[in-house]
Amino acid sequence: NAGVTQTPKFRILKIGQSMTLQCTQDMNHNYMYWYRQDPGMGLKLIYYSVGAGITDKGEVPNGYNVSRSTTEDFPLRLELAAPSQTSVYFCASSLLRIRGGGPTDTQYFGPGTRLTVL
Amino acid sequence: AQKITQTQPGMFVQEKEAVTLDCTYDTSDPSYGLFWYKQPSSGEMIFLIYQGSYDQQNATEGRYSLNFQKARKSANLVISASQLGDSAMYFCAADTGRRALTFGSGTRLQVQP
Repeated sequence: NAGVTQTPKFRILKIGQSMTLQCTQDMNHNYMYWYRQDPGMGLKLIYYSVGAGITDKGEVPNGYNVSRSTTEDFPLRLELAAPSQTSVYFCASSLLRIRGGGPTDTQYFGPGTRLTVL
Repeated sequence: AQKITQTQPGMFVQEKEAVTLDCTYDTSDPSYGLFWYKQPSSGEMIFLIYQGSYDQQNATEGRYSLNFQKARKSANLVISASQLGDSAMYFCAADTGRRALTFGSGTRLQVQP
């Protein structure tokens, strides 16, 4: 298993450009997530998906869009890139939604995409 | 809304000694999970340990243990016999079954030879 893969690893965008960050997992996980990590900070949730065709907003969704047409793929779209979107983006997946106190439902993370908007 | 607080921006420990990284959480949900992740300088997020809110015993995973004090809402990570490879950022996170994980701001641990 490759686990969670992300492409590209690095990208530099100009203000106003758009791009799609790719995320694929081969563990047949139903839940997938996108986080961003600003320098010196913890991760913040952008969007998540509980299965193909179902997505929902996280803490910081503005400026982003997602889709989930298959179990494996969960791309993140940036439209009209802004300097505030300079960050490291992590995709993650898990098998079951955590309810707390029950069996472990670990999120597995991809290696991240480092995005700079100039 | 839940909040995770890690009050130690940086910690130093001598090789082979034990170290405790602090984490407090704030949630009104009775059912939740607590996690610790390690982020080395290479940037990936590595799962270390999990504690469920109803677990009676503290979680352990090899050299990692979680000191869970429910009444104090704390979930401190204890690393025993520190190794140079333990130098990294450590994040505490919580989930209450709503919107994925909420992360703390992290603690940078440096292990000295």
